[in-house]
Amino acid sequence: NAGVMQNPRHLVRRRGQEARLRCSPMKGHSHVYWYRQLPEEGLKFMVYLQKENIIDESGMPKERFSAEFPKEGPSILRIQQVVRGDSAAYFCASSPRYVSGDHNEQFFGPGTRLTVL
Amino acid sequence: KQEVTQIPAALSVPEGENLVLNCSFTDSAIYNLQWFRQDPGKGLTSLLLIQSSQREQTSGRLNASLDKSSGRSTLYIAASQPGDSATYLCAVKLTFGKGITLSVRP
Repeated sequence: NAGVMQNPRHLVRRRGQEARLRCSPMKGHSHVYWYRQLPEEGLKFMVYLQKENIIDESGMPKERFSAEFPKEGPSILRIQQVVRGDSAAYFCASSPRYVSGDHNEQFFGPGTRLTVL
Repeated sequence: KQEVTQIPAALSVPEGENLVLNCSFTDSAIYNLQWFRQDPGKGLTSLLLIQSSQREQTSGRLNASLDKSSGRSTLYIAASQPGDSATYLCAVKLTFGKGITLSVRP
């Protein structure tokens, strides 16, 4: 049973370009979470999605960032017009169904390390 | 707003020592707490998930306890080994602590 897959593992972009990060959840998991990790700030929640729905995007910047989890295919985190401050490791996690009013156990992918030149 | 604190930020111990990593959180209205391990440049590996109805959870040399009322969890590592060197993070309700970087000296 393959774990959470993320690609690319490393991504280099110049300022102003678009970055597109992909996440395939574990088989049978219908919930996806995106996090950003900066060296001094730790791991920060960005967005929580189920298939075709954004459930909680409270941690995502209002501009330039968007996320989707289509019925078919991986979840995508898109960053438009990247700036140097977007350089970070972006992690995706997946979990099985939401139970008991809280989030279930999360399983993380290896991350995508974005470098903006 | 949930806040998760892990102190100290770093810890160095000799091999074989039993140790306890602490995690505290401000909002006790939680259903579960999860402990992770992160190796440098890698993703997070889930170690233990402890439900609020449980007091502790064990996996091999690891034991996690949870005291919801006081907003605390501990991760106990028995007979530490150099391979245990990593950063250990706890998480509640999508909020992560900054982690404790553990170094186990041979």
